[in-house]
Amino acid sequence: GQQLNQSPQSMFIQEGEDVSMNCTSSSIFNTWLWYKQDPGEGPVLLIALYKAGELTSNGRLTAQFGITRKDSFLNISASIPSDVGIYFCAGQRGYGGSQGNLIFGKGTKLSVKP
Amino acid sequence: EPEVTQTPSHQVTQMGQEVILRCVPISNHLYFYWYRQILGQKVEFLVSFYNNEISEKSEIFDDQFSVERPDGSNFTLKIRSTKLEDSAMYFCASSGGEGTVSGANVLTFGAGSRLTVL
Repeated sequence: GQQLNQSPQSMFIQEGEDVSMNCTSSSIFNTWLWYKQDPGEGPVLLIALYKAGELTSNGRLTAQFGITRKDSFLNISASIPSDVGIYFCAGQRGYGGSQGNLIFGKGTKLSVKP
Repeated sequence: EPEVTQTPSHQVTQMGQEVILRCVPISNHLYFYWYRQILGQKVEFLVSFYNNEISEKSEIFDDQFSVERPDGSNFTLKIRSTKLEDSAMYFCASSGGEGTVSGANVLTFGAGSRLTVL
């Protein structure tokens, strides 16, 4: 089946640092989504990308849909303690209904530097 | 803000028992999904449901699994005879506000039901 390679697997952040993570795939997706998951909670949507090359921001978060439609990155600027959690990229082949199911990456775990 | 509601939040069951997990999707959504997440692993697609029938299912969704929309608001996942490896968080999601193409893409997830099979 389709696989998403998400990296890094984990990272430590210090407050104020910028953070970057990305996802790549061997297959084309028509939509890329970035979700955050806190412990014991479901994934919460951060950013949705619908067009190749699209760059979208949501506050301190910026994400881009790669021009080849096979990759996406998420940047977090000036990180704060509440940014800790697990970030998942997810690709979607179609535009809803039977094509709407998401393929998730394995996640990037953000922790605070001790 | 509209949300997807799941019950129970945690269920413990004996191997071989039947389990039903319940979900109330967002009211004007048309597409419904179940995903699962084994502890420490990624979220995996199980099944999608539209217009009162399964539209797609993964290889995980075998004959032991079934879904149902018994009324206008609930969406259930049944596991007929649970196995140890069914222990996981099960997430319900919905998408597709009527008339919005982009809305059909964006899945809203519930907080999950943790299933522990002993």
